[in-house]
Amino acid sequence: DAKTTQPNSMESNEEEPVHLPCNHSTISGTDYIHWYRQLPSQGPEYVIHGLTSNVNNRMASLAIAEDRKSSTLILHRATLRDAAVYYCILREVRGDFGNEKLTFGTGTRLTIIP
Amino acid sequence: DAGVIQSPRHEVTEMGQEVTLRCKPISGHNSLFWYRQTMMRGLELLIYFNNNVPIDDSGMPEDRFSAKMPNASFSTLKIQPSEPRDSAVYFCASSPRRGGEQFFGPGTRLTVL
Repeated sequence: DAKTTQPNSMESNEEEPVHLPCNHSTISGTDYIHWYRQLPSQGPEYVIHGLTSNVNNRMASLAIAEDRKSSTLILHRATLRDAAVYYCILREVRGDFGNEKLTFGTGTRLTIIP
Repeated sequence: DAGVIQSPRHEVTEMGQEVTLRCKPISGHNSLFWYRQTMMRGLELLIYFNNNVPIDDSGMPEDRFSAKMPNASFSTLKIQPSEPRDSAVYFCASSPRRGGEQFFGPGTRLTVL
């Protein structure tokens, strides 16, 4: 499986943008980049995903490097409710049936400072 | 929409007992996943189903674990016999399409004494 590397932890001030980096130097051409987050005592929650182009949704933006070896999740204005563990995951799609596996790493624990 | 429903939310049992965890996926979703989360190993995929058929069970730790999906609205994860090292939070997730986002349930916290 292609691996991702994320910082163990990050801190950010409330109401400021947050940039969460992820390295995935062994990514293959058919791997999608997914981001999930897990709030305390809850199940993981989908945030965003992309393949090659930058993506935006109501929760965040995903900036993908041109060579796809890294990506950055951007929270435009962090709130206390954004404190969570953020996981950057490569999802492999193989064959007709596809492989839907999501392999979670250790993620980045984001702390928001009031 | 009620989301993914798991039961029970908490289970405490003694070593050697059978444990059954239950999951109701979101209606219309055709993929279902079982995960286990521990401090030591993080979040691990145990097995997943597509259209009620098990696709990949390579994450199932050993023969004591089994999972079934008799219909599109129900799945079980059974541990028999249970051991203390099975203590973990077990999450069920469902997805509306192949490769789509996964929606996680609230989890079942299992403690095996």
